[in-house]
Amino acid sequence: SQTIHQWPATLVQPVGSPLSLECTVEGTSNPNLYWYRQAAGRGLQLLFYSVGIGQISSEVPQNLSASRPQDRQFILSSKKLLLSDSGFYLCAWRTGILGEKLFFGSGTQLSVL
Amino acid sequence: AQSVTQLDSHVSVSEGTPVLLRCNYSSSYSPSLFWYVQHPNKGLQLLLKYTSAATLVKGINGFEAEFKKSETSFHLTKPSAHMSDAAEYFCVVSLSGSARQLTFGSGTQLTVLP
Repeated sequence: SQTIHQWPATLVQPVGSPLSLECTVEGTSNPNLYWYRQAAGRGLQLLFYSVGIGQISSEVPQNLSASRPQDRQFILSSKKLLLSDSGFYLCAWRTGILGEKLFFGSGTQLSVL
Repeated sequence: AQSVTQLDSHVSVSEGTPVLLRCNYSSSYSPSLFWYVQHPNKGLQLLLKYTSAATLVKGINGFEAEFKKSETSFHLTKPSAHMSDAAEYFCVVSLSGSARQLTFGSGTQLTVLP
């Protein structure tokens, strides 16, 4: 069966520090991978998506970047965190463009102080 | 372009009474529509989905939603609320066949009172 791992579950970082959130998927190949952010009081916002290794599409300009070094690995990064980067980050995947069901990780609560 | 609007940020009901969570969407093409639920400290869970088959969709835990094209709505309902239904609910629209993605509503926080 397919599983998705996302870590860490919670993270507290000072302003200006770097960030690396990792997400891995098991039990499937060539998934579409996504990073979402849920800011307090707002809906989920798509940050990045990837249809293959090294292929990253950014949905919003921001202080973050994403990379996909392996088929089932998706990393969200920042060189210098801002206060506004605080929020709940979710990794998700689905099986290609026709896969309607989106599978979510358990999320990372990021607090930038 | 596609968008989704959840009309209520908070809904409060008594246990055993009906639940109605409202959602309106806009999409240039025939959309797929979903409802997700997020319980505290847990990941998102798919409740149900509409993909151009029957307009009345039944999901898990007694929830159902009706796709009304004329009203561009996809409201979520349940005949009788349970305490365990307290959570945040997201209405989602997707352009079928698009790798790009799902567009999420802002969420509705459901409170169930004893």
